[in-house]
Formats: sequence, structure tokens, C-alpha cells
Amino acid sequence: NAGVTQTPKFRVLKTGQSMTLLCAQDMNHEYMYWYRQDPGMGLRLIHYSVGEGTTAKGEVPDGYNVSRLKKQNFLLGLESAAPSQTSVYFCASSSIENQPQHFGDGTRLSIL
Amino acid sequence: AQSVTQLGSHVSVSEGALVLLRCNYSSSVPPYLFWYVQYPNQGLQLLLKYTTGATLVKGINGFEAEFKKSETSFHLTKPSAHMSDAAEYFCAVRNTGGFKTIFGAGTRLFVKA
Repeated sequence: NAGVTQTPKFRVLKTGQSMTLLCAQDMNHEYMYWYRQDPGMGLRLIHYSVGEGTTAKGEVPDGYNVSRLKKQNFLLGLESAAPSQTSVYFCASSSIENQPQHFGDGTRLSIL
Repeated sequence: AQSVTQLGSHVSVSEGALVLLRCNYSSSVPPYLFWYVQYPNQGLQLLLKYTTGATLVKGINGFEAEFKKSETSFHLTKPSAHMSDAAEYFCAVRNTGGFKTIFGAGTRLFVKA
């Protein structure tokens, strides 16, 4: 009963490095989301997807790219990491609009 | 545009006391409303939701919330706080026909022995 799984759980990067965060869900959900959580700011939507092969920008998309090649996976990429991207990143998925989102346990990313 | 305001970034109660966490929203269409709880180093978990029907909704762990359209509020309550309720709570709104959920900034609940 995995739900939403995020890898890695922790990562430290140097400024300018690139990396990809992986999110996998086993609930056959159509919608998937990437958020960042910073103290006092709640969750802010980075990018989202409403189905396989589709992506859209959220509230804070700059510096991030995403891909949804398979329905169960949603990848978040940082091409050139910056210290301002130090945050906790959460992936979530949901089925239809009136259903809640299911969250992963987060990826704690520090950029030095 | 949708927005969610949670009044009070921190709330402290004594064990056994009433818990009241406030949430007000703005939405141009009937919304779906959610409360989530986040324990340290974990993701968000659903406490309860309002979609349609009865405006008083009950959730897990003894929490409940009432949708008041006239006040655009969805406050979360629990009659008697327990130490295990200490966590951060997020109110969220999603429009009918929308893909995106808007989260409040969160309220951290402290429970004193």
C-alpha cells in the first residue's frame, strides 16, 4: 500500500548542479502535482499534470521543469540549482476534482 | 481568484481544552474545502473534506469542521485536545471544475500538558 513515493528523501547540491526528483503513485490517479514548502508560506504549486503526457505551470514554475511520460510517474527537474531553491518538495496525486490529494513524505533539498 | 486565510500561525491550547483553528476562503464558485494535518518530517494527510451536502463534516481523530457559506469560513474544531494533536494544520480550497488546490499558510498547534 505505497500510495505516493518520492525519491530521494534528502539531497545536498552545490549551486549550478542539476538533479531530478522522482514521484511515483500506484493509485491510478490522473492528476499529479509538485509543491514546495517554505516556513510561513504554506505549499506553493510549482507544476502540475492532468494526465499522461501533459504538464502545466503552477504558481512558482521558474527554474523547474517537469515531465509525465508515464501516468504513474511525475518528474521534477532542476537544471541549474540555486540557493533559493532550498526547500522541502512534496509530490501529490488525486483522482477527480472533489477528491483530496495524496501526498508523499517529501524531499528535503539543500543547495549550498 | 481563490485564496485561503488561516488566522494565527501558532495556536497553543492545554490538553483537554477546545481546539479551534480558523480558516476563511474566497472563491467565485462553490468550492471544495479540505483540512490536512502534517506531522514532523511527513507529508500532508487528509483530516476531512467538504464537497456537497451536510455542512458539518466529521473527520479523523475527533476533528470536525463546519462550512458556513455566508461567512466564507471552514473552521476546524475538536472538543478536547490531546498531546498527539500537536502538528501543523492546513486549510485548502479547490474550485468545482478546477485542477488546482490552494493551501493556506498553515497553523501550528501546540498542546500543553
